[in-house]
Amino acid sequence: GDSVTQMEGPVTLSEEAFLTINCTYTATGYPSLFWYVQYPGEGLQLLLKATKADDKGSNKGFEATYRKETTSFHLEKGSVQVSDSAVYFCALSLETSGSRLTFGEGTQLTVNP
Amino acid sequence: NAGVTQTPKFQVLKTGQSMTLQCAQDMNHEYMSWYRQDPGMGLRLIHYSVGAGITDQGEVPNGYNVSRSTTEDFPLRLLSAAPSQTSVYFCASSYAGGPYEQYFGPGTRLTVT
Repeated sequence: GDSVTQMEGPVTLSEEAFLTINCTYTATGYPSLFWYVQYPGEGLQLLLKATKADDKGSNKGFEATYRKETTSFHLEKGSVQVSDSAVYFCALSLETSGSRLTFGEGTQLTVNP
Repeated sequence: NAGVTQTPKFQVLKTGQSMTLQCAQDMNHEYMSWYRQDPGMGLRLIHYSVGAGITDQGEVPNGYNVSRSTTEDFPLRLLSAAPSQTSVYFCASSYAGGPYEQYFGPGTRLTVT
């Protein structure tokens, strides 16, 4: 079946460090890929998305590129801030499943001043 | 604009009790869904709906019922609560049929003793 695998967490960084959170997927067909973020005590919100191979999604300094050849959608940010501390979820949806999302396990990011 | 609202925020049940988690959205979204979030497991889809009168099972539907009598509301019923249903529950909504952004409610934290 379709699945999403994220790097094992949690991740702890100092402010201004470079962030990478790995995400790989298995899917039949051509999925759309998403990163959602969950701040403490809140629901998830969309951070960025890409709907076809080689697309780059970007928002708030975060970027991820849809790599079909490696079935990956790694999240990166050049300089993290304390306010980026949150749980990050990679997810996919398939054309054949409409709006259904399949989520990865989530990665807890803590940024220290 | 309220977005997606969920009630209650917190709930404690005894094993065998029943209850309904409420979810409402004011964005005229066709698609609504319920997820449960458990540590290390990401979000798992319980039930979803692509419009009023249409519901379907997700990945983990056992022990839960849903109905969709209006576009706005999508309640989740626990028929006979079990400790394994201790979790955080999120409702989400979006336009149907494509890789659209899903909007999440703030969640309900349920404990079953």
